[in-house]
Amino acid sequence: DGGITQSPKYLFRKEGQNVTLSCEQNLNHDAMYWYRQDPGQGLRLIYYSQIVNDFQKGDIAEGYSVSREKKESFPLTVTSAQKNPTAFYLCASSIRQTDRQPQHFGDGTRLSIL
Amino acid sequence: KNEVEQSPQNLTAQEGEFITINCSYSVGISALHWLQQHPGGGIVSLFMLSSGKKKHGRLIATINIQEKHSSLHITASHPRDSAVYICAVRSIGSNYQLIWGAGTKLIIKP
Repeated sequence: DGGITQSPKYLFRKEGQNVTLSCEQNLNHDAMYWYRQDPGQGLRLIYYSQIVNDFQKGDIAEGYSVSREKKESFPLTVTSAQKNPTAFYLCASSIRQTDRQPQHFGDGTRLSIL
Repeated sequence: KNEVEQSPQNLTAQEGEFITINCSYSVGISALHWLQQHPGGGIVSLFMLSSGKKKHGRLIATINIQEKHSSLHITASHPRDSAVYICAVRSIGSNYQLIWGAGTKLIIKP
């Protein structure tokens, strides 16, 4: 079955440490997205990518970095510059970044600070 | 003020009740999405609407473009319907990005 796989499900970060969240899809989708979810708030877009080797900042990109070296993979690095990284992170993909395409989501990674 | 507002924020009902969740938005949109987030965190797309009404099983979604309002209804609710229901809109001219509501947490008691 096609889908999006995020790993790990739970992740703990020490102060000053960078951590990388994995997102892999086998849906052959061109577009991929990273969202952050905090309690009581809507999802906020961190980064998105429309094609391989290209990505754009979303609304809250500061303290995060991404790469898109392969169509299937869109890892997110939470850097030490992100002062409040504790949140639930969701990866999504869509066929293309167009008006009519629904997004498919992974099961998320919950990041906590030790 | 958020561009997408959902109500209620929390809803608890008994099994079998008819459920209505509301979504109001303040921007011009090209499409509105309803999604379901399971307790474990995964999100599933339920509906994408640009006009009228859609039905899938016990779920019905309606949209009134003039009033900038959408509703999600669940008939004959069941405890397995317990989840967070999220409304998201694609605003015109937003480079196809979605604007998300904060979600409605629904609990159906047996």
